[in-house]
Amino acid sequence: SYELTQPPSVSVSPGQTASITCSGDRLWDKYASWYQQKPGQPPVLVIYQDKKRPSGIPERFSGSTSGNTATLTISETHPMDEADYYCQGWDSSTDVVFGGGTKLTVL
Amino acid sequence: QLQLQESGPGLVKPSETLSLTCTVSGDSISSHSYYWGWVRQPPGKGLEWIASVYYSGTTYYNPSLKSRLTTSVDTSKNQLSLKLRFVTAADTALYYCARGSGYRFDFWGQGTLVTVSS
Repeated sequence: SYELTQPPSVSVSPGQTASITCSGDRLWDKYASWYQQKPGQPPVLVIYQDKKRPSGIPERFSGSTSGNTATLTISETHPMDEADYYCQGWDSSTDVVFGGGTKLTVL
Repeated sequence: QLQLQESGPGLVKPSETLSLTCTVSGDSISSHSYYWGWVRQPPGKGLEWIASVYYSGTTYYNPSLKSRLTTSVDTSKNQLSLKLRFVTAADTALYYCARGSGYRFDFWGQGTLVTVSS
């Protein structure tokens, strides 16, 4: 089965840049998406197709994929960006796959 | 304005069948532009994809759940439904309904918590 691996946690200081990685075999071919989930709320799509940003998502959020790693980058990190972040890919054999999630702490 | 509202029993006994409904408003469940998905999240844990459902009836299931899953679409009520048989405590989770577009889920419901316990 296909798997996506994320670091359990990432810490960043306010105003700095946070990078969250997601690793998986041939991820460059899996149309990576990223979701933000705050406590008690459903996930919100913040990046799709590796680097596209849905309307309403700040430009501070960006995505990239190279080889087997997708990266979500949050520039000028705000305290409100503190949340769990999940990557998601699509594989022809298993359809949708989520990474295990990364808790972003802004301190 | 798109709204997805999940509904379910809240509590299900082990070995019984979990039945959930997602009511879609603000969009047609028969839209050719979208499909619909189920995703669950055990308390304190990550997201697990359950199924993707197209109005045409085409479905894609998580291989680990496939043998216990049934999904359906009721276009007259603009609803989708999920049935998961022979539940155990491991099926305790917040169950989300989401709209799919391309290779992502672009809008999610608030979720409904299902607890499996005797």
